[in-house]
Amino acid sequence: KAGVTQTPRYLIKTRGQQVTLSCSPISGHRSVSWYQQTPGQGLQFLFEYFSETQRNKGNFPGRFSGRQFSNSRSEMNVSTLELGDSALYLCASSQGYTGELFFGEGSRLTVL
Amino acid sequence: DQQVKQNSPSLSVQEGRISILNCDYTNSMFDYFLWYKKYPAEGPTFLISISSIKDKNEDGRFTVFLNKSAKHLSLHIVPSQPGDSAVYFCAASEGFNKFYFGSGTKLNVKP
Repeated sequence: KAGVTQTPRYLIKTRGQQVTLSCSPISGHRSVSWYQQTPGQGLQFLFEYFSETQRNKGNFPGRFSGRQFSNSRSEMNVSTLELGDSALYLCASSQGYTGELFFGEGSRLTVL
Repeated sequence: DQQVKQNSPSLSVQEGRISILNCDYTNSMFDYFLWYKKYPAEGPTFLISISSIKDKNEDGRFTVFLNKSAKHLSLHIVPSQPGDSAVYFCAASEGFNKFYFGSGTKLNVKP
């Protein structure tokens, strides 16, 4: 069974640009969550989608948004990038209401 | 305000001995807890979970203990192996897969 796949793995952007990250969950998993990992803040919850509906959202500004498609694939978008958005963005999938999260390898974003 | 805390940034243990990683939380509504292991440049790997209706869960060399009254979680690894050297994160949730993660403990198992 294929794991969680995130693309791209690495990307470099400049301040003010926007970025879209993609996540393909494990087959059969309907929940997709996004986390931001930085050295100072650890892993912080961004949002979670289940069957195309956002069920929960973390304390991030509106520049951070996401969506989930009918095949459970998810994308997150960050607009008007700031230097502080440089981080590892991790996607995790899960089967249902709550359970073990299975993480992808992450997308490393650098904002210059 | 950090709801899940791992107060030991690092831990060094001899191969074959027990590793004990600790985690404290503040939110009494948390009802599901996870432990993850993370190697550099990789995503976290799920290790073991426990729900609030239990106080212990075992899986091979890994045992998680939950003390709800103390709001304390611990992961025991017995026996520790050099391949266990990694950063360990605990995480807690009150539902809908919204997990709060601790800052991690770096475990070094010496041969």
